[in-house]
Amino acid sequence: DTAVSQTPKYLVTQMGNDKSIKCEQNLGHDTMYWYKQDSKKFLKIMFSYNNKELIINETVPNRFSPKSPDKAHLNLHINSLELGDSAVYFCASSRTGTGEKLFFGSGTQLSVL
Amino acid sequence: KNEVEQSPQNLTAQEGEFITINCSYSVGISALHWLQQHPGGGIVSLFMLSSGKKKHGRLIATINIQEKHSSLHITASHPRDSAVYICAVRSRFDDMRFGAGTRLTVKP
Repeated sequence: DTAVSQTPKYLVTQMGNDKSIKCEQNLGHDTMYWYKQDSKKFLKIMFSYNNKELIINETVPNRFSPKSPDKAHLNLHINSLELGDSAVYFCASSRTGTGEKLFFGSGTQLSVL
Repeated sequence: KNEVEQSPQNLTAQEGEFITINCSYSVGISALHWLQQHPGGGIVSLFMLSSGKKKHGRLIATINIQEKHSSLHITASHPRDSAVYICAVRSRFDDMRFGAGTRLTVKP
């Protein structure tokens, strides 16, 4: 069983569209994250979320919004997609606490045309 | 300047060589992670350190909190170790900062 699964693996879409990437973890973790990896392979945190608190990286446009229907899911919604949104997006989870190991999903490669 | 600096950016080694990848950071941290990203894109967490040294198989990670420096060592390197190795620090404010990665190629 995949610990952290995200879908789709590839997403190709037109500018201006709205899209979602789903993430699910079966590890019983309390905290989930979204990261963006740009074309230079540089990772940046976008959001971290547990059942108490959403922490947003202030550099993330408000077109991006995380939605958590329950503790095991953190989906990423993106409105009005732009060319610069093209990147690989990784979901991850961990137990709550600064010393906990991260478990990553396999990534979603988003291409905005 | 990035708050997390890795060196070298690229590293090519022959199979069997001992490899060291370095990470220096400039922020106060609560933990440091070493991640491995395979050519296929998947990311695996190798180590989480807050002090001292950890070993897992042929991999060893060390951290010196006073010097704000960590190293990842690979003994008896193998072509399957070829990947990008990423250093990441969790700041005291609980956000993650990533290094740019070190691309390792191990030739048979």
